Amino acid sequence: EVQLVESGGGLVQPGGSLRLSCAASGFTFSSFWMTWVRQAPGKGLEWVANIKEDGNERYYVDSVKGRFTISRDNAKNSLYLQMKSLRAEDTAVYYCGRGRDSDYWGQGTLVTVSS
Amino acid sequence: DIVMTQSPDSLAVSLGERATINCKSSQSVLYRSNNKNYLGWYQQKPGQPPKLLIYWASTRESGVPDRFSGSGSGTDFTFTISSLQAEDVAVYYCHQYYTTPLTFGGGTKVEIK
Repeated sequence: EVQLVESGGGLVQPGGSLRLSCAASGFTFSSFWMTWVRQAPGKGLEWVANIKEDGNERYYVDSVKGRFTISRDNAKNSLYLQMKSLRAEDTAVYYCGRGRDSDYWGQGTLVTVSS
Repeated sequence: DIVMTQSPDSLAVSLGERATINCKSSQSVLYRSNNKNYLGWYQQKPGQPPKLLIYWASTRESGVPDRFSGSGSGTDFTFTISSLQAEDVAVYYCHQYYTTPLTFGGGTKVEIK
């Protein structure tokens, strides 16, 4: 059974940093692109970033370029999102998804940026 | 960026009736080398993550009831629930994974009339 479990969310002050993790199981992690998608409270879905199977290609939405870094550790079946210079508008539930089309999603982790 | 425009924003349908959602992309999401439309449809129920129902615009994900279907190609797509059930109350999103930045439609809230 495919499982994706996000962790690392929480309350952080504007300008602060946070590192999200996504633990994957039930599939060959190293064979799939992986994706981060976020959803602000009461809003729609926004794609944030994705990363190729070997980690050699990474793409970001413009609003997070230079502040967020997506990475992966295929030996640990884990996906990460390092977030810096956080802003109030980054407040959202962050989901990890399998593949470019996100055919499986985790339950999400809430990031709240507030003073 | 490819803009995904969904309509309507919401719709109320009687149980057993048809629900239809449209999605238009600002440029084609058809990859001609493999003739696939890089377009998916997702269902999100309150408090839950999204769930992929349809991929390649018209292929139903394993285990998804056949009352859910997708059609269209290029820039115009349609998602249909042929006979609405109570458990289908949710927000539905279209999503292009053709090119980065990947983008979602704004969502359509489906309710029971």
